[in-house]
Amino acid sequence: DQQVKQNSPSLSVQEGRISILNCDYTNSMFDYFLWYKKYPAEGPTFLISISSIKDKNEDGRFTVFLNKSAKHLSLHIVPSQPGDSAVYFCAAPGGFGNTGKLIFGQGTTLQVKP
Amino acid sequence: DAGITQSPRHKVTETGTPVTLRCHQTENHRYMYWYRQDPGHGLRLIHYSYGVKDTDKGEVSDGYSVSRSKTEDFLLTLESATSSQTSVYFCAISRTSGLHEQYFGPGTRLTVT
Repeated sequence: DQQVKQNSPSLSVQEGRISILNCDYTNSMFDYFLWYKKYPAEGPTFLISISSIKDKNEDGRFTVFLNKSAKHLSLHIVPSQPGDSAVYFCAAPGGFGNTGKLIFGQGTTLQVKP
Repeated sequence: DAGITQSPRHKVTETGTPVTLRCHQTENHRYMYWYRQDPGHGLRLIHYSYGVKDTDKGEVSDGYSVSRSKTEDFLLTLESATSSQTSVYFCAISRTSGLHEQYFGPGTRLTVT
């Protein structure tokens, strides 16, 4: 059972335009969400997070929106740059207790064309 | 830079052989994790550790064991490698107990032939 889902395997946008990456979840108990970015041959790096008490969190060109009723979050990148080309994973803490375990989506590969 | 190294970075091995991957951290963090990344599956948790000699299973632990005899080292062992364990393996740490922002090592690409 995939509790965190990224249904779009890939996305291609033009430099300067907006990139919107989507993520759905099934567990209404999730109270925190994270986005990670991964370049080839490197480990994922933390990008931005959002608590369930908020519906928006912004950090520079990156904004994450959370719609709890729809169990949906999205990452907006504005303006998109060629260096943003990477695989993006959304994640949520899973399991009981304070273990820090994360459940990841399948990932979306973003290509930003110059 | 979270001070995480993984060794080896690449390995090719034959089915049925034992393999050990090492994760080393320099910042003395309590929580460490092993994930595998496969196309169409994202990252899946194999095992994690919440202290020296304290470990627990993750989502895909079958065929894997771990050990943590020192704070800085977390070892992942495939007792008898199978082709289904061909994957990229990532180690991660949490900087603060209970926080979810994990920091990842560079990964080990393992091929089982």
